[in-house]
Amino acid sequence: HSVLTQPPSVSAAPGQKVTISCSGNSSNIGNNYVSWYQQLPGTAPKLLISENNRRPSGIPDRFSGSKSGTSATLGITGLQTGDEADYFCGAWDSRLSGVVFGGGTKLTVL
Amino acid sequence: QVQLVESGGGLVKPGGSLRLSCAASGFTFSDNYMSWIRRAPGKGLEWISYISSRGSTIYYADSVRGRFIISRDNAKNSLYLQMNSLRADDTAVYYCAVHYRGNSCLDYWGQGTLVTVSS
Repeated sequence: HSVLTQPPSVSAAPGQKVTISCSGNSSNIGNNYVSWYQQLPGTAPKLLISENNRRPSGIPDRFSGSKSGTSATLGITGLQTGDEADYFCGAWDSRLSGVVFGGGTKLTVL
Repeated sequence: QVQLVESGGGLVKPGGSLRLSCAASGFTFSDNYMSWIRRAPGKGLEWISYISSRGSTIYYADSVRGRFIISRDNAKNSLYLQMNSLRADDTAVYYCAVHYRGNSCLDYWGQGTLVTVSS
């Protein structure tokens, strides 16, 4: 089972907003940056959010990240059918000396 | 632009070995930390190994420690993963990725290479 905890699935209608939570502890999220990744079907993961809330070049501002204590949240507004994907949170874990991921959240745009 | 291209995957019997390679271009490979990550069928992402820019610091996940060896050749802009004593639960797509912005962030990923462990 994964070190970080995410809901297995979320869904919303096109144009709506969705949030995906990610819960950890002081060894990972509590004292290290959180990143978010999008994996579209049949493709490699892609960085969406770095350093808790920074969008790399080319990532639309429909995607946002936040962190509070040992939890983080990914927000997606103006949902599109092309956003259907698996979303993963990740962080460095200082106790395990490695990257830890959430189990992933499958987003369905109804 | 940054490119990471994995190779070396395939079908191998349980107990066998395989060596994966990751060819990097579009960035200064020797300045950056690298990781291998895998995704098994129906499962999530699993980080498996990390190597610092000069190879002096290496970490492994418990699931592969003692069986897998990460290495790099900065002169060849290449990252490697030697996989020994392979088991059925090592079946996955294996990705290499670069840490541009620190340990928590995997900024760019390769397209992945499939490893299937089956008799």
